[in-house]
Amino acid sequence: AQKVTQAQTEISVVEKEDVTLDCVYETRDTTYYLFWYKQPPSGELVFLIRRNSFDEQNEISGRYSWNFQKSTSSFNFTITASQVVDSAVYFCALSERSGNTPLVFGKGTRLSVIA
Amino acid sequence: DAGVTQSPTHLIKTRGQHVTLRCSPISGHKSVSWYQQVLGQGPQFIFQYYEKEERGRGNFPDRFSARQFPNYSSELNVNALLLGDSALYLCASSLIDSIYGYTFGSGTRLTVV
Repeated sequence: AQKVTQAQTEISVVEKEDVTLDCVYETRDTTYYLFWYKQPPSGELVFLIRRNSFDEQNEISGRYSWNFQKSTSSFNFTITASQVVDSAVYFCALSERSGNTPLVFGKGTRLSVIA
Repeated sequence: DAGVTQSPTHLIKTRGQHVTLRCSPISGHKSVSWYQQVLGQGPQFIFQYYEKEERGRGNFPDRFSARQFPNYSSELNVNALLLGDSALYLCASSLIDSIYGYTFGSGTRLTVV
């Protein structure tokens, strides 16, 4: 069975601090995809990244970076120099076999960035 | 280009009533999925449709049903509403295998009283 665990329910940081959101996943498949989504108060889920199980390269996109470690089944997300606009709920999700099968989401981490 | 559009945005229903939620995917996207997000939880998969055929169904009772139309828009129907059906219902569309995964709409917030 698939499972995604986001142990941090809420995190609060002061603007310009770095923050890391943890994600641990479980799956029996050797081919799977991991995602991060951002959910602002408006409700829609905004796609941030997709990573397949064969690509363990870390990814950096502006202030965002992702660390994928198969050995620990983790896919952590770091925001560098956080900004107030980063305040949102962040979800890690898993999709087995191909990127178009249903997503299994974690419970999310609510990030509050204080000015 | 318009994103995924859902209607209505908010809805209040009484226990036992029926509700229909609607979703229009991004132009060119043939796959539509529905998710239920209860307050404080992550979204849970309800249905996936591709080319008007049901591709997958989550662990939801038969009170939940859906369909996809020839223009790829979709409806989610819920019968005999329960208080526990109160949630944000999210629709997502995608190409058959896009690196960007799914594009989600802003959802319909359903309150059952």
